Amino acid sequence: DAGVIQSPRHEVTEMGQEVTLRCKPISGHDYLFWYRQTMMRGLELLIYFNNNVPIDDSGMPEDRFSAKMPNASFSTLKIQPSEPRDSAVYFCASRGSAKNIQYFGAGTRLSVL
Amino acid sequence: AQSVTQPDIHITVSEGASLELRCNYSYGATPYLFWYVQSPGQGLQLLLKYFSGDTLVQGIKGFEAEFKRSQSSFNLRKPSVHWSDAAEYFCAVGNSGYALNFGKGTSLLVTP
Repeated sequence: DAGVIQSPRHEVTEMGQEVTLRCKPISGHDYLFWYRQTMMRGLELLIYFNNNVPIDDSGMPEDRFSAKMPNASFSTLKIQPSEPRDSAVYFCASRGSAKNIQYFGAGTRLSVL
Repeated sequence: AQSVTQPDIHITVSEGASLELRCNYSYGATPYLFWYVQSPGQGLQLLLKYFSGDTLVQGIKGFEAEFKRSQSSFNLRKPSVHWSDAAEYFCAVGNSGYALNFGKGTSLLVTP
């Protein structure tokens, strides 16, 4: 299996622009997680899905952030409008029901200027 | 609430020396415990996990960790460090459900 695939790997944008991050989970996994990593706050859970349904979005910072999972093989995290404080590395992870092990993608490094 | 503390932000070890990275957790029941490693510019890779049973668990790359309930600890060890072990190490705690709660990480530097 190719593992969790995230795109793009790097994104540089200007403040106020819309940013869309993409994630393809491991085939057969029914949980998908979005995390954000910053120097100040470390790794934080933003939202997670089970069977394409958002279960807990309490970590989403504010309404500028939204996440969708239209099908079992694709999820997006959107920031609109983006702000410099959104600059971070965003990770996607997935896991199956049987094993409580999360597998991480390589991350998207976002820079908002 | 769950929490994870990694007391050491940075650790420097000579190549060939032994390594121990500390992790303390706070959780009401028996937690699921994990160690992940992150190399620069890469995602997180699972080193090992503890769910139940033998409190000494073996992982990949020669790492092991010991769960000590009385001390609420899950320290990571390696008898002989290689230069390629230089990376960021994260301890995490989870329950039977869902998301993981990560520590802030320990950055390992390996000197010749």
